[in-house]
Amino acid sequence: AQRVTQPEKLLSVFKGAPVELKCNYSYSGSPELFWYVQYSRQRLQLLLRHISRESIKGFTADLNKGETSFHLKKPFAQEEDSAMYYCALSMNRDDKIIFGKGTRLHILP
Amino acid sequence: GAGVSQTPSNKVTEKGKYVELRCDPISGHTALYWYRQSLGQGPEFLIYFQGTGAADDSGLPNDRFFAVRPEGSVSTLKIQRTERGDSAVYLCASSPGDRGVYGYTFGSGTRLTVV
Repeated sequence: AQRVTQPEKLLSVFKGAPVELKCNYSYSGSPELFWYVQYSRQRLQLLLRHISRESIKGFTADLNKGETSFHLKKPFAQEEDSAMYYCALSMNRDDKIIFGKGTRLHILP
Repeated sequence: GAGVSQTPSNKVTEKGKYVELRCDPISGHTALYWYRQSLGQGPEFLIYFQGTGAADDSGLPNDRFFAVRPEGSVSTLKIQRTERGDSAVYLCASSPGDRGVYGYTFGSGTRLTVV
């Protein structure tokens, strides 16, 4: 079955330090991968998607099909990055998105 | 409207009662999705509509759960004989319908508490 795994429930990082939120997936086809973010008291929102190869708020993510990973990275953490981050996968010819359990990112001052 | 609207924002009901949760998607979005998020978990897929029809209802946990979208716009998620385990935040999302490629726009959710 298709699955998205985020191994860390909580990640604490000092301000200015690099951030890496891990995401691994299991799917035999060609998935579409996403990162969603939920800031405190706000709704879940799309952060970035792998097909557009974009950088949003300094975050990037590279799809590694060999390792079936889509880790989210940022070189220098900012306090406003503190939030809940969800990795998500959409399967070929299917519109539904499957989410991981999420990682809470806590930026320490 | 400008975003996905969900009502009510909070609902407290007694075990065994019937509840309806409403979702008003972004105008023109053909695809509409319902998810359920329990504490400490990611959103769990329930059902997906393309237009008026349910394209995939594989996530509905049992036959107490049902959803409709009669005119291809507003959707209602209906839960019969509610149980305490149904307590969660119910999220609705909509998209232009492009295979999920562009992601979804989520509503702020309905927090359901069954007492």
